[in-house]
Amino acid sequence: QQQVKQSPQSLIVQKGGISIINCAYENTAFDYFPWYQQFPGKGPALLIAIRPDVSEKKEGRFTISFNKSAKQFSLHIMDSQPGDSATYFCAATTDRGSTLGRLYFGRGTQLTVWP
Amino acid sequence: GAVVSQHPSWVICKSGTSVKIECRSLDFQATTMFWYRQFPKQSLMLMATSNEGSKATYEQGVEKDKFLINHASLTLSTLTVTSAHPEDSSFYICSASLQISSQPQHFGDGTRLSIL
Repeated sequence: QQQVKQSPQSLIVQKGGISIINCAYENTAFDYFPWYQQFPGKGPALLIAIRPDVSEKKEGRFTISFNKSAKQFSLHIMDSQPGDSATYFCAATTDRGSTLGRLYFGRGTQLTVWP
Repeated sequence: GAVVSQHPSWVICKSGTSVKIECRSLDFQATTMFWYRQFPKQSLMLMATSNEGSKATYEQGVEKDKFLINHASLTLSTLTVTSAHPEDSSFYICSASLQISSQPQHFGDGTRLSIL
């Protein structure tokens, strides 16, 4: 069972446009929601993360929107650049219970930004 | 920021060989390390959670005798793929955190394993 569902699977955006990737989760115990960026042949790198006590977090061109009641969160990349072309993974985890600390990943979104 | 180093980055070997992959936390002490496997164009699949000084906890379906994990110090965990076969070819990635529930996890750059 996929704990975190991510869409779309692939996304093509023109340079300067906004890239939006969505994720949904079921487990209400999740309390930390990171986004990772992965380039081919590299490990994932943390991009930005949010906890459920806030509805939005912004770092530069990257913004997470979080809707606790809908159990959804999304990544917005403003002014998308060709260098943003990568695979993006959302994830979720909890500090409680037997699975504490384990990251549950979405399936990933391959973003291509055309110049 | 926190750095996790993985070695080797790429290895090719013959079927039947055992291969050891190292994961080091360079600037922090990692009580917990995680080992993942990733197939092309797929997500990361957790294989096991390793705590310093104790036995690793393996995910369902992961063969303990096939994938040996040792976490003997606070800065080093190793994954040994024993008697590797072509189906073990994959991208193996480790991550480390200060404590088991500590976030964020910091990922290594992965090891591309190719078994001929």
